[in-house]
Amino acid sequence: SQQGEEDPQALSIQEGENATMNCSYKTSINNLQWYRQNSGRGLVHLILIRSNEREKHSGRLRVTLDTSKKSSSLLITASRAADTASYFCATVLRGKLIFGQGTELSVKP
Amino acid sequence: EPEVTQTPSHQVTQMGQEVILRCVPISNHLYFYWYRQILGQKVEFLVSFYNNEISEKSEIFDDQFSVERPDGSNFTLKIRSTKLEDSAMYFCASTGDGEPNEKLFFGSGTQLSVL
Repeated sequence: SQQGEEDPQALSIQEGENATMNCSYKTSINNLQWYRQNSGRGLVHLILIRSNEREKHSGRLRVTLDTSKKSSSLLITASRAADTASYFCATVLRGKLIFGQGTELSVKP
Repeated sequence: EPEVTQTPSHQVTQMGQEVILRCVPISNHLYFYWYRQILGQKVEFLVSFYNNEISEKSEIFDDQFSVERPDGSNFTLKIRSTKLEDSAMYFCASTGDGEPNEKLFFGSGTQLSVL
């Protein structure tokens, strides 16, 4: 079974709209991280939220964490064409940082 | 801004051949990782490395794989006898900003094609 699963698998929006991606996980965590991957490139760390935090902001990014539901969401506000990428949540499972399947976000100009 | 550097960007090899993928992590980082991504699939953990030894490895990381930090700067992944199913993008990552497994910096990857 997957440790981190993103939903939806793909999301297409217009520039200026908000994009929300969700991640569910199965085991207890100390933190949850979000990464972005542009096509064919390496992953870029976006934000880390710890288990004792409920919400965190970084620029146009807002991340929430609900440990009772074992879920997190990533909100990108006022999206831009440059936000087009795959977004992954990641959690540590048995000492290994494991990535989910990702949400492929397409922002149309 | 410091970055993780991987070479080569593309590697084509024949099945059964040995390949070495090279990485230069960020200089003051302490924890090093290899991941791979088969086209269209998720990013899979291979191995983590700290203090000159393997910390964790996945089931994928069998006896055909090895890692080495031969000097103070390079971190290599060797595949002894490549198989067709080893074709993937291989990413090196490092972190040193406190805890392992937090805020990893990734290289741009080596695309390995096994023919």
